[in-house]
Amino acid sequence: GAGVSQTPSNKVTEKGKYVELRCDPISGHTALYWYRQSLGQGPEFLIYFQGTGAADDSGLPNDRFFAVRPEGSVSTLKIQRTERGDSAVYLCASSLIYQGTEAFFGQGTRLTVV
Amino acid sequence: GQQVMQIPQYQHVQEGEDFTTYCNSSTTLSNIQWYKQRPGGHPVFLIQLVKSGEVKKQKRLTFQFGEAKKNSSLHITATQTTDVGTYFCAGRIIQGAQKLVFGQGTRLTINP
Repeated sequence: GAGVSQTPSNKVTEKGKYVELRCDPISGHTALYWYRQSLGQGPEFLIYFQGTGAADDSGLPNDRFFAVRPEGSVSTLKIQRTERGDSAVYLCASSLIYQGTEAFFGQGTRLTVV
Repeated sequence: GQQVMQIPQYQHVQEGEDFTTYCNSSTTLSNIQWYKQRPGGHPVFLIQLVKSGEVKKQKRLTFQFGEAKKNSSLHITATQTTDVGTYFCAGRIIQGAQKLVFGQGTRLTINP
């Protein structure tokens, strides 16, 4: 497809379980961002990749959160020992280069921890 | 850490009235972008401002970037019901990896 694809679109998990959220960026986009958005709030920065490496992971809330992008394309956000406070929409965005170009967002994954 | 503050949080107007949202950064920005998010949707890029004092227009929308590159505004003239949504500014800081930091957004509702 032409846009950023995120799977799954919805995920319900039990507290304490492990989840993986996947992001397929637009082909050729070297920059990839993960954000978390709670109801009524702006997207909260989590991590940013330039190619395969995490250029800035300062937004990851704690060590339960981890993200990879092994081949510089698809990225996976991994959350261990999920907590109810992790419930949110997780947005992925990609852009052509890391500076000065628009970010294209996926539809997001709505994570609900029960 | 770097923060981007946006006001007001909510704005309700009558159709045809003007609307403005303001964005302020605690640090100097290399550029600022504006996004619109419709209810249930994802943020969609509107515009990017790069130069100090830059003003750009898109039909009824006017975007400004402050002289110090720390603040920005979006003004909509004669709102229409299609303008409903949440408007976010997103600033790219000068230092480091230049992550894109979003404001909290201004939710615009319109009475037809």
